[in-house]
Amino acid sequence: QQPVQSPQAVILREGEDAVINCSSSKALYSVHWYRQKHGEAPIFLMILLKGGEQKGHDKISASFNEKKQQSSLYLTASQLSYSGTYFCGTGGLNNTDKLIFGTGTRLQVFP
Amino acid sequence: DAGVIQSPRHEVTEMGQEVTLRCKPISGHNSLFWYRQTMMRGLELLIYFNNNVPIDDSGMPEDRFSAKMPNASFSTLKIQPSEPRDSAVYFCASSFFGGHGDTQYFGPGTRLTVL
Repeated sequence: QQPVQSPQAVILREGEDAVINCSSSKALYSVHWYRQKHGEAPIFLMILLKGGEQKGHDKISASFNEKKQQSSLYLTASQLSYSGTYFCGTGGLNNTDKLIFGTGTRLQVFP
Repeated sequence: DAGVIQSPRHEVTEMGQEVTLRCKPISGHNSLFWYRQTMMRGLELLIYFNNNVPIDDSGMPEDRFSAKMPNASFSTLKIQPSEPRDSAVYFCASSFFGGHGDTQYFGPGTRLTVL
């Protein structure tokens, strides 16, 4: 039941855009997005709850399609600081369900 | 405010030894999570507490692993006896309400190496 992330890796030049997808086989109540740099803890980016809302801050935004059980993370005009591994975490319809993390998408931004 | 605090940051031990990892959650948070991260299995939840009570320990790999939360500001994860396959980064995270609708904040992790 681990969510599937795609692509597995992305290489970008500074200023380019990227989309990372997260797909679950079960109905979802929430999707969490985190970024982790090598040797560091995962850092929270945003959470999307059931309702199909889209969220964003700065040049990073995300959408949640509950019918398709999918979420996408949009990185616009990427910066060097965006490099890292992005994880989605998904929660089922029962609020006591544990969060299950995807396998991650490695993003590298070059000058 | 201080974030989640974990100690030690690095631990190297020999197979068969007891290992204790410690975590102090963010003040005011009611839920605490222990995760393990490896290249092979990714980030997996071991156990989660709400108001100091274990709610879901289905991710604890075997009886060698145990976790306690004696009060709202402290938790331990113990491995006894440790094995080389336990080598991983162990993260503690906390959230205010618990449940997966709430943001989890991760500590810096403990890198465990079992020789």
